[in-house]
Amino acid sequence: EVQLVETGGGLIQPGGSLRLSCAASGFTVSSNYMSWVRQAPGKGLEWVALVSSGGNTKYADSVKGRFTISRDNSKSTLYLQMNSLTPEDTALYYCARGAGGRHPLDYWGQGTLVTVSS
Amino acid sequence: QSVLTQPPSVSAAPGQKVTISCSGSSSNIGNDYVSWFQQFPGTAPKLLIYENNKRPSGIPDRFSGSKSDTSATLGITGLQTGDEADYYCGTWDNSLNAGVFGGGTKLTVL
Repeated sequence: EVQLVETGGGLIQPGGSLRLSCAASGFTVSSNYMSWVRQAPGKGLEWVALVSSGGNTKYADSVKGRFTISRDNSKSTLYLQMNSLTPEDTALYYCARGAGGRHPLDYWGQGTLVTVSS
Repeated sequence: QSVLTQPPSVSAAPGQKVTISCSGSSSNIGNDYVSWFQQFPGTAPKLLIYENNKRPSGIPDRFSGSKSDTSATLGITGLQTGDEADYYCGTWDNSLNAGVFGGGTKLTVL
């Protein structure tokens, strides 16, 4: 059974950093595209970043240069390092298998909440 | 402002049919597969349709998807009160080089 469990969210001050983790089971992380998708309170879905099966990474313009997606194949874990956080980054962050398009986002975790506030 | 455009809300009576539209451009819907997601309050999105019209295992055939040029449509027949949720379309945009979603449509079953 495929499972994705996100951890690492919390309350952080503007300008701060946070690292989210997503523990995957039931499939091989390194063989799949993996994405982070966020949802601000009361808002819609926003794709954030992906790492391809080949290790290539892509980012939404809103986080480019501040966020870094990575994975540890030995731990079957996906990460999102978030730096220079602003209140606009406040959201529920979901880890998902896939990327969109021909790599559908077919499994999602339950999300971890990041709140950026002073 | 979402890259893909969906109506904010739709409604229909139990047992009826409803369609939700998703409009994009040649760089996204016109160039790649469309997925649809269902999200209940307080829960994670769930894949409903992938590759424009395919249903994952366990998704009833009351749900269907179609795509034409730069638009996609989700159809739900035999509406049930349990279908009340937010529905999102999504795909990849090769101009933005990013995943994109619609703004979401709230379905109310009256």
